[in-house]
Amino acid sequence: SQELEQSPQSLIVQEGKNLTINCTSSKTLYGLYWYKQKYGEGLIFLMMLQKGGEEKSHEKITAKLDEKKQQSSLHITASQPSHAGIYLCGADKGSNYQLIWGAGTKLIIKP
Amino acid sequence: KAGVTQTPRYLIKTRGQQVTLSCSPISGHRSVSWYQQTPGQGLQFLFEYFSETQRNKGNFPGRFSGRQFSNSRSEMNVSTLELGDSALYLCASSLDGALGTDTQYFGPGTRLTVL
Repeated sequence: SQELEQSPQSLIVQEGKNLTINCTSSKTLYGLYWYKQKYGEGLIFLMMLQKGGEEKSHEKITAKLDEKKQQSSLHITASQPSHAGIYLCGADKGSNYQLIWGAGTKLIIKP
Repeated sequence: KAGVTQTPRYLIKTRGQQVTLSCSPISGHRSVSWYQQTPGQGLQFLFEYFSETQRNKGNFPGRFSGRQFSNSRSEMNVSTLELGDSALYLCASSLDGALGTDTQYFGPGTRLTVL
């Protein structure tokens, strides 16, 4: 069955530094979603990628889907305390109206 | 537009009891999905409803059930609660649930604690 592997599991970054989070699938991704979650709260939608090679940016966050559509990366430039949280990738499983999810990456920003 | 709302936000129950959680989707959204999130298992899909019909169900026991009303509001019910049901229950709504093109928007969740 298709699984999503996220790496790293956790990340501690000095404020102002750049960072990258990866999401890898064993199968082709038909739609890849990135969400952010503050502990114990709901998920906040960041970006959705559909096409191989697609790249989207919002403020200081850039997400890419590779050409083979099996890996996505989320890059944060000049990190800020507001970027702290858990980042989750979710993917379309095919046709069952069901998203599968990575385990999440916990991001801590050191001031 | 108002976001997805979930009630109650926090709930404490004892083993053997049952519980009903409610979700109001964003206006105009007809698809509602429910997820269970725990530290050990992460985010797991429970079920998805569209126009009052369950279209897909995850691998959860029959104690977990749901329904959707004509106004797209949804409820999920857990009967005979077990300690392992303690979790954050999240609901998400989207226009039509067409993954790959549609986007799910999540509510704040209901934190269920089973004692």
